[in-house]
Amino acid sequence: QKEVEQNSGPLSVPEGAIASLNCTYSDRGSQSFFWYRQYSGKSPELIMSIYSNGDKEDGRFTAQLNKASQYVSLLIRDSQPSDSATYLCAVTLSGSARQLTFGSGTQLTVLP
Amino acid sequence: GAVVSQHPSWVICKSGTSVKIECRSLDFQATTMFWYRQFPKQSLMLMATSNEGSKATYEQGVEKDKFLINHASLTLSTLTVTSAHPEDSSFYICSARDDGTGAYEQYFGPGTRLTVT
Repeated sequence: QKEVEQNSGPLSVPEGAIASLNCTYSDRGSQSFFWYRQYSGKSPELIMSIYSNGDKEDGRFTAQLNKASQYVSLLIRDSQPSDSATYLCAVTLSGSARQLTFGSGTQLTVLP
Repeated sequence: GAVVSQHPSWVICKSGTSVKIECRSLDFQATTMFWYRQFPKQSLMLMATSNEGSKATYEQGVEKDKFLINHASLTLSTLTVTSAHPEDSSFYICSARDDGTGAYEQYFGPGTRLTVT
């Protein structure tokens, strides 16, 4: 079992819809969770971080964390074509000295 | 916001030569920086963890004598690819962890595209 798992996609949504990206992790002791966006040919960009159970909203982005289910998600409201990218889930595993472990990423395409 | 720069953004070198890539945290101090490599359409691969003032920690399978890492200050880490070969051609990305906020968020540089001919 991979430590951090994401559906590779591709995930396609129409413009204006809600895109839902999911991530599960295997280490119950994980404390920090991050979502990065990576455009093709570019480096990852941090878009959200979440540390406690519940929802965290920032503009059109909402991160949701459920530690009991070992599940973290990212919702993108009012999706735009410019949101088309690969979204990486990253988790700080316990005992890892706060080193990030990345999922393989979900490729999102927002169709105009 | 936290900014990490990388230089150069792209480099072409001949086989057998060495290339140095710099990674700087511009507006925060970073005790720890990370070096990644990414091949086209593949995931990020962590190569090594760079710790200020001490030796880098390399991931399994990464040759420490080939990929020399120096983290001489709290804002600068360098990666030197020695005796480069065409198979070393890749996208090299550094990241820096902001230890000052307590959130340990990790910010990436823009990457360096290396082509070895």
